[in-house]
Amino acid sequence: TQLLEQSPQFLSIQEGENLTVYCNSSSVFSSLQWYRQEPGEGPVLLVTVVTGGEVKKLKRLTFQFGDARKDSSLHITAAQTGDTGLYLCAAFTGTASKLTFGTGTRLQVTL
Amino acid sequence: DAGVIQSPRHEVTEMGQEVTLRCKPISGHNSLFWYRQTMMRGLELLIYFNNNVPIDDSGMPEDRFSAKMPNASFSTLKIQPSEPRDSAVYFCASSPGISSGTDTQYFGPGTRLTVL
Repeated sequence: TQLLEQSPQFLSIQEGENLTVYCNSSSVFSSLQWYRQEPGEGPVLLVTVVTGGEVKKLKRLTFQFGDARKDSSLHITAAQTGDTGLYLCAAFTGTASKLTFGTGTRLQVTL
Repeated sequence: DAGVIQSPRHEVTEMGQEVTLRCKPISGHNSLFWYRQTMMRGLELLIYFNNNVPIDDSGMPEDRFSAKMPNASFSTLKIQPSEPRDSAVYFCASSPGISSGTDTQYFGPGTRLTVL
């Protein structure tokens, strides 16, 4: 059983469209992170959310942490081809530094 | 400042051979992590070190895998003997290790391992 389930698994959209990616769990987390991974590279941290209900914006990306701190969403407004990549949510579990990653959402944005 | 450095970037070997992956973390970072990424299982933590000491190796799949961190600037992940199912991309990451729960992990570019 995966601790962090992401949906959808795959998403193919055209430039200019909006999209939302979800990260769900039955566990409560003290914090949650979102990473983006481009082909041939390692994941890069986008944001860390800590407080239940917290909303953070990073240009066209909006991140929300659920009130109960069990889930999170990533919304992209007016997607661009540069947004193409694998989006991973991750949470610290067990020992303080141990990061568990979600199943991932692979996004393809075309012209 | 250089990021996390991994070598080699690609490794092709035959079943039964020993494979050694290398990592140089970002200078000053106290924590180092080894991950494995496959299509089937996603990104999995294998082992992590804090101040060169292994803290959690519960993700190491079996005795064929071993990891060392002899000093703050170098770590290795060894597979002996290698098997085709070990084929994956192996990532090394480091973090400052200052703030538990919010630390940023910085990933290297990965080593793509193919075991024939």
